[in-house]
Amino acid sequence: GAVVSQHPSRVICKSGTSVKIECRSLDFQATTMFWYRQFPKQSLMLMATSNEGSKATYEQGVEKDKFLINHASLTLSTLTVTSAHPEDSSFYICSASRQETQYFGPGTRLLVL
Amino acid sequence: TQLLEQSPQFLSIQEGENLTVYCNSSSVFSSLQWYRQEPGEGPVLLVTVVTGGEVKKLKRLTFQFGDARKDSSLHITAAQPGDTGLYLCAGGPQTGANNLFFGTGTRLTVIP
Repeated sequence: GAVVSQHPSRVICKSGTSVKIECRSLDFQATTMFWYRQFPKQSLMLMATSNEGSKATYEQGVEKDKFLINHASLTLSTLTVTSAHPEDSSFYICSASRQETQYFGPGTRLLVL
Repeated sequence: TQLLEQSPQFLSIQEGENLTVYCNSSSVFSSLQWYRQEPGEGPVLLVTVVTGGEVKKLKRLTFQFGDARKDSSLHITAAQPGDTGLYLCAGGPQTGANNLFFGTGTRLTVIP
C-alpha cells in the first residue's frame, strides 16, 4: 500500500505564532502532494498543490504568504501556518499522489488560542 | 472550481437497511473516486471509476459512474454500524491530472 504520515497529529498554539506541519510519503516517492483544509462537518477544501522542486500552486482565496509550502524532497512536503489566528483553527490534511491516485495522511488538528 | 453536490447531506438508518448516496455535477470528470472518512482521520479510498456506465462492487457496496461521467452513486446493502462515517466523492477533471475536486459529503450513521 501507499502510506502517508503527518506530524504532528494535534497542535495547540498561541495567536501570532507559526506552526509547521509535515507530510511524508513513507513507501513511495511523490512529486506532487496536496494540502487540504477541513472545517467541522464539512468536506475537504483544496488549499494548494505542492510540487517537488518548484513553487506551490495555491487555490483562489488562499494566501500564499500565510500558508507557506515547501516540497524539498520526493517524500516530504511541509505547510507552515504563519502568524496563526483563531480562525486558522482547522483540520489540515495532506495527500500524496501516486499513479493518479491520492493517498491521504491522517490529518493534523490545529487549535489556535 | 468544479462543484460536486452530494445528497443526502445526512443519513441516519437502522442496521440492515439499504441506502444510496448520490454525487452530481454539471461537469464531466475523467475519473471519480469515493472515500470514507472517520472522525479525526484522513479519507480512505474505497474505489475509483473511470468509464461512463461502469459499475464496481466492493462487498456490500456498489458504485456506479454515470454514462455521461457527470454523476455517481454509492449503494450500501444491509448497512452495518461499521459503515458509519463521512462519505466523500471526488472527481478528477482531466486524465493524467492529479488534482481532485471533493463533493460536499454525506454523513452516514448506522444505528445498531
